[in-house]
Amino acid sequence: AQSVTQLGSHVSVSEGALVLLRCNYSSSVPPYLFWYVQYPNQGLQLLLKYTSAATLVKGINGFEAEFKKSETSFHLTKPSAHMSDAAEYFCAVSDGNTDKLIFGTGTRLQVFP
Amino acid sequence: DTAVSQTPKYLVTQMGNDKSIKCEQNLGHDTMYWYKQDSKKFLKIMFSYNNKELIINETVPNRFSPKSPDKAHLNLHINSLELGDSAVYFCASSQAGPAGNTIYFGEGSWLTVV
Repeated sequence: AQSVTQLGSHVSVSEGALVLLRCNYSSSVPPYLFWYVQYPNQGLQLLLKYTSAATLVKGINGFEAEFKKSETSFHLTKPSAHMSDAAEYFCAVSDGNTDKLIFGTGTRLQVFP
Repeated sequence: DTAVSQTPKYLVTQMGNDKSIKCEQNLGHDTMYWYKQDSKKFLKIMFSYNNKELIINETVPNRFSPKSPDKAHLNLHINSLELGDSAVYFCASSQAGPAGNTIYFGEGSWLTVV
């Protein structure tokens, strides 16, 4: 069965610093992997997804993620954090047969001035 | 123009009541979902419909009954509400076809049972 684990429920960075949010997956088949962002009191917005094309995936708002099969990881990065990046970030995997998403427990990103 | 819209956004109701949340998508998608986000922000799928047909039912209590009058609408009716039903309910949709399609979420409906 598919699953994802997000390491660190809270991450704090200074504005301008590197953002690194960690996600490891478990899948018995080649996975489809997603990162979603949730701003306070809002719905989920897709940041990026991996669907077995390029292993380095670029998304919106300057985020990118690299699929590493050997490490079963799909970490999310951004070179320079902005205050507006403060939100909850969710990694998710789909089971390959349907579009059912299995979410991680989320990581809250705080950005300090 | 909102792609996936759900109403109401906020709902406060008493235990034992019956309530409905409506959802509509204008993306032309064939598949719609209901997800539940609990107080710890954990997201889990409840139901999935494809072209009005139930595809996924994730061991949700019978008090929850989804209804899809057409492929653009998926409503959620909840009977005999309990305190534990307090959560954020997200409607979502995606295009049918090969897996890996993007799922588009609505803004959420915050349900509080008192």
